[in-house]
Amino acid sequence: AQSVTQLDSQVPVFEEAPVELRCNYSSSVSVYLFWYVQYPNQGLQLLLKYLSGSTLVKSINGFEAEFNKSQTSFHLRKPSVHISDTAEYFCAVSVEEKLTFGTGTRLTIIP
Amino acid sequence: EAEVAQSPRYKITEKSQAVAFWCDPISGHATLYWYRQILGQGPELLVQFQDESVVDDSQLPKDRFSAERLKGVDSTLKIQPAELGDSAMYLCASSPGWGRAGTEAFFGQGTRLTVV
Repeated sequence: AQSVTQLDSQVPVFEEAPVELRCNYSSSVSVYLFWYVQYPNQGLQLLLKYLSGSTLVKSINGFEAEFNKSQTSFHLRKPSVHISDTAEYFCAVSVEEKLTFGTGTRLTIIP
Repeated sequence: EAEVAQSPRYKITEKSQAVAFWCDPISGHATLYWYRQILGQGPELLVQFQDESVVDDSQLPKDRFSAERLKGVDSTLKIQPAELGDSAMYLCASSPGWGRAGTEAFFGQGTRLTVV
């Protein structure tokens, strides 16, 4: 069975500073990897995904994540955060269309 | 833009009462998921359908929870009787389906259940 570990439950960051949200996974087979974002009292929205090919994937709002197979990681980064990035971020792995989520990281932007 | 529809958005119910949630997936999506998200935690899969068939309900508390997707389109999740520990956000999601591995799941807005 697959599992996802998000080591940081909360990450406070000053506005315009860089941020990294960590995600490690465990699986005995190949996986597909996702980052979802959740705003208060809302459902989850896909931020970006890794299926194959280039290990660096990017979103339209400046986030990027890099798949590292040897370290079984898929960390999310942004070089300069904005107040609007305040949200909960979930890393997820997909195996045979079963989607397993981590416990989430709450990103708080400090003005 | 097509969306996953869920209703109600909020539900308050008394302990031991029955409660039901409804989900209408994106048209044409064969796979439907119900997740439970307890405050401060990640979503936990309760049940996964492929068309009208259940493909995974290993985490569904079957003594009180039931789920159906009779015509392979919309779905209902029921809890009877509700317990205080069932208070959570219930999320429905859909994806295009089997054989198209790697396609993402699209989530509805969720139903926030409070059991008092």
